[in-house]
Amino acid sequence: DAKTTQPPSMDCAEGRAANLPCNHSTISGNEYVYWYRQIHSQGPQYIIHGLKNNETNEMASLIITEDRKSSTLILPHATLRDTAVYYCIVMRGSTLGRLYFGRGTQLTVWP
Amino acid sequence: DSGVTQTPKHLITATGQRVTLRCSPRSGDLSVYWYQQSLDQGLQFLIQYYNGEERAKGNILERFSAQQFPDLHSELNLSSLELGDSALYFCASSVDASSGAQETQYFGPGTRLLVL
Repeated sequence: DAKTTQPPSMDCAEGRAANLPCNHSTISGNEYVYWYRQIHSQGPQYIIHGLKNNETNEMASLIITEDRKSSTLILPHATLRDTAVYYCIVMRGSTLGRLYFGRGTQLTVWP
Repeated sequence: DSGVTQTPKHLITATGQRVTLRCSPRSGDLSVYWYQQSLDQGLQFLIQYYNGEERAKGNILERFSAQQFPDLHSELNLSSLELGDSALYFCASSVDASSGAQETQYFGPGTRLLVL
């Protein structure tokens, strides 16, 4: 599975959009981009995933560049409860299910 | 609430002992995954079961074993415990990983193990 690079930490003001970047320059054509978050030692929470097209759900939007070498997770209106470690994971379509978590990005939302 | 349950929430035991962690997957999910999260190693994949059979192994020690029962719940057995086994243990489940296609995994709240 392709390796990902994320900034170790980011800040965001409450009510503003949080844009979390992820680089995955070695991504293959059949690899998906997944985002999870972990709030203070709780179980990781699935956020969103995509292959090529941009995706949106009730939690967030995922923007994948045309060359698929990077992506951005967007939380449109961050709240204090969005403070968490965010993990960007690239997962091969044929992978037997395992997720490789890196160190992620610690997002801190300030009031 | 992901629908995945894990018991116990906390476990304190001594070195050399054996413990069993339990996981109940979401209703309808056939695959169960176990992960370990320690301070220095981050979240690491241990093992996956699909419909009662082992599917994939990660960085699981020989002192550790797992199984998935006919009702699809899973247990992770940790034996000859060492101080370094202190960690959070998470279980995740997904619908069907038999085809090898990507599957969204949903995680339980975890079991915090402390070995003294």
